[in-house]
Amino acid sequence: GQQVMQIPQYQHVQEGEDFTTYCNSSTTLSNIQWYKQRPGGHPVFLIQLVKSGEVKKQKRLTFQFGEAKKNSSLHITATQTTDVGTYFCQFSGTYKYIFGTGTRLKVLA
Amino acid sequence: GAVVSQHPSRVICKSGTSVKIECRSLDFQATTMFWYRQFPKQSLMLMATSNEGSKATYEQGVEKDKFLINHASLTLSTLTVTSAHPEDSSFYICSARSRRRGHYNEQFFGPGTRLTVL
Repeated sequence: GQQVMQIPQYQHVQEGEDFTTYCNSSTTLSNIQWYKQRPGGHPVFLIQLVKSGEVKKQKRLTFQFGEAKKNSSLHITATQTTDVGTYFCQFSGTYKYIFGTGTRLKVLA
Repeated sequence: GAVVSQHPSRVICKSGTSVKIECRSLDFQATTMFWYRQFPKQSLMLMATSNEGSKATYEQGVEKDKFLINHASLTLSTLTVTSAHPEDSSFYICSARSRRRGHYNEQFFGPGTRLTVL
């Protein structure tokens, strides 16, 4: 099925370092959602972005929606071991939800 | 927050048997539920969209006769993997969409069902 590309695919960081994952679409998105999936767990909703250029923050997490609404990013400041997991972007169309390929984050203590 | 349960969490079966997976929204009504499949270290692939009281909409490449979906009520959707084979082994996850205002696209995921077909 159709997928949205995320980069990087994997990221290993030292605890305390920053981390960013990017989500890119070839088409304009109406909105985008971000999820986190811990190893062995299920996706948990983090946030939804709707407006062009929108920036939202959740503690150490900063989410951004591109001006053209074709890309989005998730930035984590000063990573902690609890940030370990796979981060997925997801966009929605009419009755359809497409997940990005995901970025797997490992944080080394 | 909204809770979605899935049962069973893990199932091991012999090739050729059918397996039913239940997905329930415990504290909210879900007119739409989604079924995903996830292979190890890969993303979630949408299999079908299940609407209460109507036939499911299947994604391209997903056999509707093999993956039977029933959404009989606003809180229950079932996925039956018929005549399962080893290649059907995977992690199956359901989700339900919130009807709350302003949270239209937020999905609540069940804990998943790990199916192993021997």
